[in-house]
Parts: sequence; C-alpha cells; structure tokens
Amino acid sequence: ETGVTQSPTHLIKTRGQQVTLRCSSQSGHNTVSWYQQALGQGPQFIFQYYREEENGRGNFPPRFSGLQFPNYSSELNVNALELDDSALYLCASSSRRNNEQFFGPGTRLTVL
Amino acid sequence: SQQGEEDPQALSIQEGENATMNCSYKTSINNLQWYRQNSGRGLVHLILIRSNEREKHSGRLRVTLDTSKKSSSLLITASRAADTASYFCATDKETSGSRLTFGEGTQLTVNP
Repeated sequence: ETGVTQSPTHLIKTRGQQVTLRCSSQSGHNTVSWYQQALGQGPQFIFQYYREEENGRGNFPPRFSGLQFPNYSSELNVNALELDDSALYLCASSSRRNNEQFFGPGTRLTVL
Repeated sequence: SQQGEEDPQALSIQEGENATMNCSYKTSINNLQWYRQNSGRGLVHLILIRSNEREKHSGRLRVTLDTSKKSSSLLITASRAADTASYFCATDKETSGSRLTFGEGTQLTVNP
C-alpha cells in the first residue's frame, strides 16, 4: 500500500456530463500528478500540482482541469465528457526531494 | 507520444525462470522508474534508477541503465506466478521537469 487513495473506484457517466475525481497524497508528499490510462496503453501525463499551483501540463484540452488543496490532496475535473475519456485515471504523489512517484489504485471512468 | 518503448510486448515463462524486459527511450533523462500493474489496477513502484547510476538491485529485481544506448533492462529472478502483471518503464526528462513518460508495457505471464 502506498498511502495514496483515490475516489471513487468506478464511475459511469454519459457524454456531455462533468466528473470530479479525488486523490489524497501520501504523507510527506506535496506534489500530485494525474495520468490517464486507456485500455492496453501506458499512462499519459495530464498535469501536475505543486503547492496548489499547476506545475506542468500534458497534451490535454482545457476541459481537463484540476485543483490542489492546502493538505496536498487534489481533484481532477473533466467537463463535457466524451466517449474517448473512458479510461483509468491515476494520481501519483511525490516529494520534491526526488521524483519517485507513488500511485493510487485509480478511478475507472466509463463514458456512455 | 510515448518516450519509452518496452520490449518484448508480451513474455510467457515458467515459474522459477528469469524474466528480462527492456526499455528504450529517446531523449536525455534524469531518472528511469519501473512499475508493475496488475489487471488494470494502480501502478506499484518497483525501483528508480538515476541517470548517473548503472545498476540497482531490490530483492529479486535487478535494473540496469545504459545512457549511451538510451536503454534499461529489468530482470526478475526466480519468477513466481504472482509476478504475472504488466511492467512499465517511465522516464522523466531534463527538459520537462518531473512528469513521467511511460512506454506501453510488457505483459509478463508466469506459468505455475
């Protein structure tokens, strides 16, 4: 167990809806990164948060947004859901001392 | 696009045998990490090797890094059925901070 938790475990939404996914980082970690993993592929970097600010973003449209809170937990919000957003969403926490990223169990999002 | 590429895509061995997986990448890196993933669940961190390191061990795992060839290998010795999983390498690059770029993984099956 890494200490990184995510909620919910599974989620089913329909096209056009909005979704919020949550992540609690491991104790002592102040950086949270979000990744999208489509079936049969490796995870793709969405964005990273450090000290409540976005600190790097991958090739995802603006309808993917996030927040980090003072306790370093984080949210990923996706607006106007599309079918291709169906994936496993993973968050990872790390410290600035090194870049060992420890992942949570993921949220499986299905968009119908 | 994926920075890393794992080779082979799939590997099937018998319990007790050694398993070797390879990873190649394209640009200079700070660190390379190996992860295990069971059946679409969260990623389990296995080992981090820095760009100035050549070899690292952890239990039955041995990782090598050859920065001149931009490649890494993960060796699992005396494999067990419980090692059946997908294995991913992930790199973070000098030019893009701490975001991880993953390959598409090697699916390892260890037959009892």
